[in-house]
Amino acid sequence: DTAVSQTPKYLVTQMGNDKSIKCEQNLGHDTMYWYKQDSKKFLKIMFSYNNKELIINETVPNRFSPKSPDKAHLNLHINSLELGDSAVYFCASSQVPWGAGLREQFFGPGTRLTVL
Amino acid sequence: AQKITQTQPGMFVQEKEAVTLDCTYDTSDPSYGLFWYKQPSSGEMIFLIYQGSYDQQNATEGRYSLNFQKARKSANLVISASQLGDSAMYFCAMRGVGSQGNLIFGKGTKLSVKP
Repeated sequence: DTAVSQTPKYLVTQMGNDKSIKCEQNLGHDTMYWYKQDSKKFLKIMFSYNNKELIINETVPNRFSPKSPDKAHLNLHINSLELGDSAVYFCASSQVPWGAGLREQFFGPGTRLTVL
Repeated sequence: AQKITQTQPGMFVQEKEAVTLDCTYDTSDPSYGLFWYKQPSSGEMIFLIYQGSYDQQNATEGRYSLNFQKARKSANLVISASQLGDSAMYFCAMRGVGSQGNLIFGKGTKLSVKP
């Protein structure tokens, strides 16, 4: 009964390839996120979707395209992979608006992407 | 803009002793939430503790407590009776009520517990 799951856990690929990371949450949350953790462990928001609608799109190259087929799923597709895309990508979910009383943001296990 | 500052890149603590991990924040939101997450070497993000800006009391969860000083804009994590399994990266994070729910993270503190 995993709350937030991601696949794959590890992804090793060549520069220039296209790859996808899938995320699913079974918590009934309205909002899902993608975060990137770089080699220095710094975590930064990339995208946020609320009820399948994009609400945050930070300064991320347009090679990254999130897709939310329903509110339980948020996938990340990356075109033309570059060396600098190597990182750990975390999916997360929470209930928004925040004032509803639910506080935690639940994270998936992360996907370690290595671009060779 | 919201910002989280963790000034201790690394900390050492002796097993069974208490340790404080520092976190200061900056926000113009009147209402906000502060979080601490633990990231062990296995990589997952584990939620530890939460403090709301209007909470009257400091949050506690087992061996974790949050020393919240609103006027100083600090939200330090105190771990009592450290255990070897506490060795990990610790991240302080903030979410403003005016935000879309995403967390703003500090750079983290790597805690090492010595036997």
